[in-house]
Amino acid sequence: AQSVAQPEDQVNVAEGNPLTVKCTYSVSGNPYLFWYVQYPNRGLQFLLKYITGDNLVKGSYGFEAEFNKSQTSFHLKKPSALVSDSALYFCAVRDIDVNSGYSTLTFGKGTMLLVSP
Amino acid sequence: EAGVAQSPRYKIIEKRQSVAFWCNPISGHATLYWYQQILGQGPKLLIQFQNNGVVDDSQLPKDRFSAERLKGVDSTLKIQPAKLEDSAVYLCASSSRGQGPTGSSLQFFGPGTRLTVL
Repeated sequence: AQSVAQPEDQVNVAEGNPLTVKCTYSVSGNPYLFWYVQYPNRGLQFLLKYITGDNLVKGSYGFEAEFNKSQTSFHLKKPSALVSDSALYFCAVRDIDVNSGYSTLTFGKGTMLLVSP
Repeated sequence: EAGVAQSPRYKIIEKRQSVAFWCNPISGHATLYWYQQILGQGPKLLIQFQNNGVVDDSQLPKDRFSAERLKGVDSTLKIQPAKLEDSAVYLCASSSRGQGPTGSSLQFFGPGTRLTVL
């Protein structure tokens, strides 16, 4: 089965500094990877995805993620953090059921990002 | 376009009571998902519908949880009877395409229902 790991429960960064939220994956075959963000009392919002192509993927709100096949990583990055970026971030991998052919998402446990003023 | 709608947003019940959640997906989305998100964990898929048929309910505790998708649009998730460990946020999501190796599986999530079981 596919899986993702988010090794950090929380990441703290000062506003204006670059941020990185880590994610590593374990898949059989080509990975389809996603990042979602969850603000308090809100559902998950899609940030970006990697399916194929350029290893640097650009997404919403100035976020980007770097796919690294050799390190099986898909870290989320932003050059300059904002206080409003403070939220819970989830990495996810697509999983395909070999019997039905239907796909689902398997999520990591999430990383809380706190950006201080 | 309107997003995924869920109700209620919050529910508090006592153990052994029953509860039902409602979800209205994005118009035209054939695939609907119910997730359980326990505090401190990522969302866990409970059940996936393609139109009005179930394609994956392997992680649904069928002794107490049930779900249906009426006419392939709205869906309800029911818990009967509830246990303390069912306290969680229940998220509904939909996508326009959930199957096939080339599908991107982009899912759109509702705001969730926060269930507290006392």
